[in-house]
Amino acid sequence: QQQVKQSPQSLIVQKGGISIINCAYENTAFDYFPWYQQFPGKGPALLIAIRPDVSEKKEGRFTISFNKSAKQFSLHIMDSQPGDSATYFCAANGDNFNKFYFGSGTKLNVKP
Amino acid sequence: EAQVTQNPRYLITVTGKKLTVTCSQNMNHEYMSWYRQDPGLGLRQIYYSMNVEVTDKGDVPEGYKVSRKEKRNFPLILESPSPNQTSLYFCASRWGGPYNEQFFGPGTRLTVL
Repeated sequence: QQQVKQSPQSLIVQKGGISIINCAYENTAFDYFPWYQQFPGKGPALLIAIRPDVSEKKEGRFTISFNKSAKQFSLHIMDSQPGDSATYFCAANGDNFNKFYFGSGTKLNVKP
Repeated sequence: EAQVTQNPRYLITVTGKKLTVTCSQNMNHEYMSWYRQDPGLGLRQIYYSMNVEVTDKGDVPEGYKVSRKEKRNFPLILESPSPNQTSLYFCASRWGGPYNEQFFGPGTRLTVL
């Protein structure tokens, strides 16, 4: 049973457009929600993370929106660029801070 | 350069032949963890270690063993590999508490025939 559900599985966006990836969770003990970016042949790398005491966090073109009551969080990539083409994973932890639960991943393709 | 290294990067083996995937970090991190990545399933945690001689199970520990005898090393052992352990494996490490960044290694692609 997947603790963190991620959608869509794949996404095609034109250069300059907005990419949106959604995640949902059930465990209300989760209180740390990182997003990872993975390029082919590489390990995941932390992109941006949020804790539930804020509803939004922005770093450059990347924004996390967090809805605690709906138990959902999403990644928005503004002005998407071909260099953003990668696989994105959401993740969560909190009931046991040493255990991490990842979403199934979204493969983003930004067309030039 | 601060990094997590894994060896080997690619491995093809046969059912039942014991193997070890090594993981080493040079950042003096207390926390280390192993994940497997499978299409449609994302990353799933196998084992983690909070410090030397302290390890615990993740979500999918069956068929795997780990040890943490030194702070920098966290090998993953498959004593009797089976085809369902064919996967992409990642080691990660982190300094301090849970809100600190996890650094991932480059991955090991394992095929069990």
